[in-house]
Amino acid sequence: QSALTQPASVSGSPGQSITISCTGSSSDVSAYKYVSWYQQHPGKAPKLMIYDVSSRPSGVSNRFSGSKSGNTASLTISGLQAEDEADYYCGSYTSSSLWVFGGGTKLTVL
Amino acid sequence: QVQLQESGPGLVKPSDTLSLTCIVSGGSVTSGTYSWSWIRQPPEKGLEWIGNIYSRGSTNYNPSLKSRVTMSVDTSKNQFSLKLTSVTAADTAVYYCAGLLLGQCFDYWGQGALVTVSS
Repeated sequence: QSALTQPASVSGSPGQSITISCTGSSSDVSAYKYVSWYQQHPGKAPKLMIYDVSSRPSGVSNRFSGSKSGNTASLTISGLQAEDEADYYCGSYTSSSLWVFGGGTKLTVL
Repeated sequence: QVQLQESGPGLVKPSDTLSLTCIVSGGSVTSGTYSWSWIRQPPEKGLEWIGNIYSRGSTNYNPSLKSRVTMSVDTSKNQFSLKLTSVTAADTAVYYCAGLLLGQCFDYWGQGALVTVSS
């Protein structure tokens, strides 16, 4: 069970859009719709931002959107705001009835 | 609103057993829509899924930890627990309990409990 692959860091200016990729395999990301994204601010617990590839929980801004193509899922944040600066993790269900996370991406708002 | 709270020792000696409990409030551990998970995060590192348990007791564990992990549910106390045996410094981490909704996503998280393995 290998971790999903995310870029270590991304950055953008306020108002811009950024995309974070999450690459897995035929045993996880491409096989199931159960891909989710989590935001984590320093010293805090992760917060669910996207589930089932592209669904947003109640209360999460529509600036956050998700998609998937083949083995790669993506999180896009539009209209970047200072409070979006955080670590972001993807997670996926796997064919072994297990869960795997990505290594995390640090988003810096310039 | 479901709330989760981890509890347990913050310091464990090498080769000992790490034990944590997660108290569920605002909901029932016997809920048919949730299973219950443990996830850990070593200092300055990413998230690692440890495993999950259903209210009837069936479990799934991360293969890398399976030989050392045991999870259990106590429906009378509305809580679930984690035991990790033969710990080393590599097991030092913030341990989170979380609710896994219908197998889809972790939508409830505890605040996290830092466990340090040191003599």
